[in-house]
Amino acid sequence: GEDVEQSLFLSVREGDSSVINCTYTDSSSTYLYWYKQEPGAGLQLLTYIFSNMDMKQDQRLTVLLNKKDKHLSLRIADTQTGDSAIYFCAESNVGTGGFKTIFGAGTRLFVKA
Amino acid sequence: SQTIHQWPATLVQPVGSPLSLECTVEGTSNPNLYWYRQAAGRGLQLLFYSVGIGQISSEVPQNLSASRPQDRQFILSSKKLLLSDSGFYLCAWSVGQGNTIYFGEGSWLTVV
Repeated sequence: GEDVEQSLFLSVREGDSSVINCTYTDSSSTYLYWYKQEPGAGLQLLTYIFSNMDMKQDQRLTVLLNKKDKHLSLRIADTQTGDSAIYFCAESNVGTGGFKTIFGAGTRLFVKA
Repeated sequence: SQTIHQWPATLVQPVGSPLSLECTVEGTSNPNLYWYRQAAGRGLQLLFYSVGIGQISSEVPQNLSASRPQDRQFILSSKKLLLSDSGFYLCAWSVGQGNTIYFGEGSWLTVV
């Protein structure tokens, strides 16, 4: 079945860049997403990329997609303490019953002042 | 604009009791609807998704069930809760294929 994997923890210093990596198995993925979850809250969409794109930049966020290797990364420039959260990678495709999205386990980002 | 509501926000239920979590979406028609669970220290797990009224796909066999009695209403149920059902339950919606998925604020369930 489909699977999305990402490392569970990442620690960076304030002001440094953070890079969160993700791999997925479904070659028919159409969209890939990054979501942010702050403690006790729901998920917030950060950014997404179409599977026919290699890169997308949105202010401090840069998403890189290597479709051949099925590897997705999220780079956060000038990381701030407010960026501390869990970041979920997700991919979407059309399943047998319709459209569905599969999430990774989430990477917890710790930002040290 | 579209909004999604789910309730209750928190609940504490004894083992063996029933469960009903409700979710409604406003401002859109014929959405795809989802129930996810996030267990403590773990990632998101897709439980059910629905592309239309009465059409439910189950991703993980368990003692939970889902129903979609109306176009924009999605209900997660259990007849008898287990301790392992504790977690953070998220309802979500999307429209069409490949579109962004939007989440509700979540429901914290603690089974004691």
